Amino acid sequence: EADIYQTPRYLVIGTGKKITLECSQTMGHDKMYWYQQDPGMELHLIHYSYGVNSTEKGDLSSESTVSRIRTEHFPLTLESARPSHTSQYLCASSESTGGRETQYFGPGTRLLVL
Amino acid sequence: AQRVTQPEKLLSVFKGAPVELKCNYSYSGSPELFWYVQYSRQRLQLLLRHISRESIKGFTADLNKGETSFHLKKPFAQEEDSAMYYCALSSTGRRALTFGSGTRLQVQP
Repeated sequence: EADIYQTPRYLVIGTGKKITLECSQTMGHDKMYWYQQDPGMELHLIHYSYGVNSTEKGDLSSESTVSRIRTEHFPLTLESARPSHTSQYLCASSESTGGRETQYFGPGTRLLVL
Repeated sequence: AQRVTQPEKLLSVFKGAPVELKCNYSYSGSPELFWYVQYSRQRLQLLLRHISRESIKGFTADLNKGETSFHLKKPFAQEEDSAMYYCALSSTGRRALTFGSGTRLQVQP
């Protein structure tokens, strides 16, 4: 089934650990995005990619990095997690049909850094 | 820079009452506006977009460029409408979305 997947859904980890949040989509979309959302706040774009080997930083400065080696895979990495990284991370992908863009979101990963 | 403002964090109405969730935006170009909804324990999903001029689940939204608003309306709220609603903007050339902070709609029986 065409969908967008994120793992893990919940992660509790200690300060200083390296973590990778996985995002995969089976929709065949070229464009993918990472958003960060603190509780009760708006979503902020932190990374986006328009295709393989293309990545850009978003509006919100983030210490995380991303890679796009395969179309369907857009992982986000934090080399050294800190409590300030505690947040929800949402992955999205989009398609363009008839000039209209539609973004589809994954279920999100809730990260808690102790 | 573009910005989306949703002034109400919480809107509580009774079943059958009209609903209006406010959204204002600032953007110098010609934006594309969206409403996204997140029901309890579900992921964020597209509700409607201004280009389509459609009604989804009884909701409509009209883009008012003069007032830079894109308010979401429904004449008779239902309990199943209770959810978190986000207004979002997509600018020309950049397809990533700029989101408002969201409004939680509670429809009481």
